Amino acid sequence: NAGVTQTPKFRILKIGQSMTLQCTQDMNHNYMYWYRQDPGMGLKLIYYSVGAGITDKGEVPNGYNVSRSTTEDFPLRLELAAPSQTSVYFCASSRISGNTIYFGEGSWLTVV
Amino acid sequence: GESVGLHLPTLSVQEGDNSIINCAYSNSASDYFIWYKQESGKGPQFIIDIRSNMDKRQGQRVTVLLNKTVKHLSLQIAATQPGDSAVYFCAENGGTSYGKLTFGQGTILTVHP
Repeated sequence: NAGVTQTPKFRILKIGQSMTLQCTQDMNHNYMYWYRQDPGMGLKLIYYSVGAGITDKGEVPNGYNVSRSTTEDFPLRLELAAPSQTSVYFCASSRISGNTIYFGEGSWLTVV
Repeated sequence: GESVGLHLPTLSVQEGDNSIINCAYSNSASDYFIWYKQESGKGPQFIIDIRSNMDKRQGQRVTVLLNKTVKHLSLQIAATQPGDSAVYFCAENGGTSYGKLTFGQGTILTVHP
């Protein structure tokens, strides 16, 4: 069972570069999320989507953009990478609100 | 602001002991709580959840207790095994309808053989 799949696993960016973290889920979940996790900390919500074509900001959206053109995919875009965006990024999904949220394996991003 | 926090950042136990991990939450609107386990280099893994209309829920070797009066959540792991060593996070939804979660800082559980 694939579940939630994220790519790339690891990436090093230079300040000012842009990149997209890919996320796809094969569980036909309506809800998808992007979280970031800084060292020794819990996860913070960046953006979420309740269905294709609908996205909304979470707790820490600045510096990021998302899109949800299909149910399966929820890419996260960093336009101008900054050192403060060095973190581990987790994509997640759930079938409906208040239901179990399943996480991907994470993407380690370093901005230098 | 509203937050979810943990009383103990680290917990060390012997194999076979029972473990209790505690969590305090401050958002009285929260009606859904989840415990996640995160092993090194991996994403959070769902352990057990509980809704605010319950005060106890049991799974396989795990039990979650919810005390809404004092806004306290705990995870009990029976007969702790070395494979249980991980960081454990509690999370709450703040009463939101979209499943957005607020995570606590995490407790590191270390199980010694």
